[in-house]
Amino acid sequence: EAGVVQSPRYKIIEKKQPVAFWCNPISGHNTLYWYLQNLGQGPELLIRYENEEAVDDSQLPKDRFSAERLKGVDSTLKIQPAELGDSAVYLCASSLRGSDGELFFGEGSRLTVL
Amino acid sequence: QQQVKQSPQSLIVQKGGISIINCAYENTAFDYFPWYQQFPGKGPALLIAIRPDVSEKKEGRFTISFNKSAKQFSLHIMDSQPGDSATYFCAASKNGNKLVFGAGTILRVKS
Repeated sequence: EAGVVQSPRYKIIEKKQPVAFWCNPISGHNTLYWYLQNLGQGPELLIRYENEEAVDDSQLPKDRFSAERLKGVDSTLKIQPAELGDSAVYLCASSLRGSDGELFFGEGSRLTVL
Repeated sequence: QQQVKQSPQSLIVQKGGISIINCAYENTAFDYFPWYQQFPGKGPALLIAIRPDVSEKKEGRFTISFNKSAKQFSLHIMDSQPGDSATYFCAASKNGNKLVFGAGTILRVKS
């Protein structure tokens, strides 16, 4: 069974440019998460989806970040415009609803903003 | 506000030794406490988890000890192996939602 797939794995952009990350969760997983992981830190939740509904986006900086999960499957996280401080790894995870919190993570998308 | 505090930041253990990583939490509503393991360039993967109705859970060489009154839990890795070298994160959540992670412990097992 395929795991959570993310792309691109690496992205280098100039500040003020836009960037988008894509995530394909494990088939059948209703819940999808985007986490931010800064170097040497634990993941921090940006947004959580239940099917196509964003049920927790309280930590998403909405002035520059946006996310969508069309049809309740794939998801895209966008940053526009990117700032130097956005350099980090963006992790996507999925889980079955009612799974007691077990998250399955993708390998992440590493963003470098120059 | 750091809801889950993890220590130490890094740990070096000899092969065959015991690795111990500690976590403390503040929110008494947390009811699920997992440990995740992350290798370089990979996403975190669930290692073992516990709920507050038990004080200990063991899976192979990995054991979680849980102290509800002290609001602390720890991961013990018995017979540590070089392949265990990774970053370990404790985490906590309420009702399986919004998992909050600690800052991580970098474990190196020397052969």
